[in-house]
Amino acid sequence: DIQMTQSPSTLSASVGDRVTLTCRASQTISSWLAWYQQKPGKAPKLLISKASSLHTGVPSRFSGSGSGTEFTLTISSLQPDDFATYYCQQYNSFPYSFGQGTKLEIK
Amino acid sequence: QITLKESGPTLVKPTQTLTLTCTFSGFSLSSTGVGVGWIRQPPGKAVEWLAFIYWDDDKRYRPSLKSRLSITKDTSKNQVVLAMTNLDPVDTGTYYCAHSRAEHVVVLNAAFDVWGQGTMVTVSS
Repeated sequence: DIQMTQSPSTLSASVGDRVTLTCRASQTISSWLAWYQQKPGKAPKLLISKASSLHTGVPSRFSGSGSGTEFTLTISSLQPDDFATYYCQQYNSFPYSFGQGTKLEIK
Repeated sequence: QITLKESGPTLVKPTQTLTLTCTFSGFSLSSTGVGVGWIRQPPGKAVEWLAFIYWDDDKRYRPSLKSRLSITKDTSKNQVVLAMTNLDPVDTGTYYCAHSRAEHVVVLNAAFDVWGQGTMVTVSS
């Protein structure tokens, strides 16, 4: 099974900051990597698929990169609505797996 | 517009069987490349993939839960049902169903692009 590890677990940042979240896979997953945003009490929402493809309606301040085992999600200029928990997920092979999440907090 | 909604009991006793229904609209689970997955989230913890069913009835399960899980579809009712046997308090959490659709028939990898709102299940005596 493929293990997904996200870092950091918690990130404190301010509005306007540029932040980068990291996700590592225990084995290569090509570009079959998705990023989701989850707010308290809500379902996760797809931000990025195939490592770097922005999902419909997602603001362009979000971007993804990477392939193989190392991936990043970058938010170019944090907005108040961006403070949430972010999960990566590999869908290269079953069993699908998610990372443990990165909680983005207001500094 | 694709929507999914989970339904089922909110409280289940240990050792009982949980049956959750995902009722969807805006897509057909008989269309090539389409699939529906189940994902759960214990309180305060990360999301965890459980099971997946393809349009062609191919099914996949989380290995550690495979003996306890069953996923089925009813295309005519636009529903996917997840059954989980022998419940334990550690199975408490919010259960989500989600849609995926592969871009190409040859390569079926696809992210979950639309999720249901989730349904909270508590396992307690």
